[in-house]
Amino acid sequence: AQSVTQLGSHVSVSEGALVLLRCNYSSSVPPYLFWYVQYPNQGLQLLLKYTTGATLVKGINGFEAEFKKSETSFHLTKPSAHMSDAAEYFCAVSDMGADGLTFGKGTHLIIQP
Amino acid sequence: GAVVSQHPSRVICKSGTSVKIECRSLDFQATTMFWYRQFPKKSLMLMATSNEGSKATYEQGVEKDKFLINHASLTLSTLTVTSAHPEDSSFYICSASKASGTDTQYFGPGTRLTVL
Repeated sequence: AQSVTQLGSHVSVSEGALVLLRCNYSSSVPPYLFWYVQYPNQGLQLLLKYTTGATLVKGINGFEAEFKKSETSFHLTKPSAHMSDAAEYFCAVSDMGADGLTFGKGTHLIIQP
Repeated sequence: GAVVSQHPSRVICKSGTSVKIECRSLDFQATTMFWYRQFPKKSLMLMATSNEGSKATYEQGVEKDKFLINHASLTLSTLTVTSAHPEDSSFYICSASKASGTDTQYFGPGTRLTVL
């Protein structure tokens, strides 16, 4: 069975500071990994995904994530936070890519001015 | 492209009634659609996977007779919550994949169900 753990239900950073949202997963097969963002009253939007190949994945809005198999991690980073980044972020995993997703509990990102 | 809509966005119903939620892929054909439930302050939980023209596959613990899923066309899936009770109140979200075997799901904006 798959599972996803997101460390920190709330993360607060200052505007311009580094954003680091942590995600660890467990999967019995090579996983497909995803980060989604959910803004208030909106649907989930795909930030980036890892399927195969390069382990450093670049996404939209300046976000990137690195797949580390040895650490079973897929942490999300952004060098410089912007006020518009305030939202809920979900890490998700699937087997084979076509199955339904298993989500972490989400991390609420707060940007301090 | 790849827009998914849901209707209604909010619905309030009385206990014991049934509610239908629609999920539409607006600009693509969705071979597979998924239904999730999001609890307050918690994550999304996969309820079922729906393939066009086939019976839905439900996750363990999800009552298939209570949550009826129909995927009659490549652009429409419906979730009917039958004999709704207050504990069914939740945020229901659908997603759609463009083709079988693909890995990207496009999510709808969700439907807030409140059962009185």
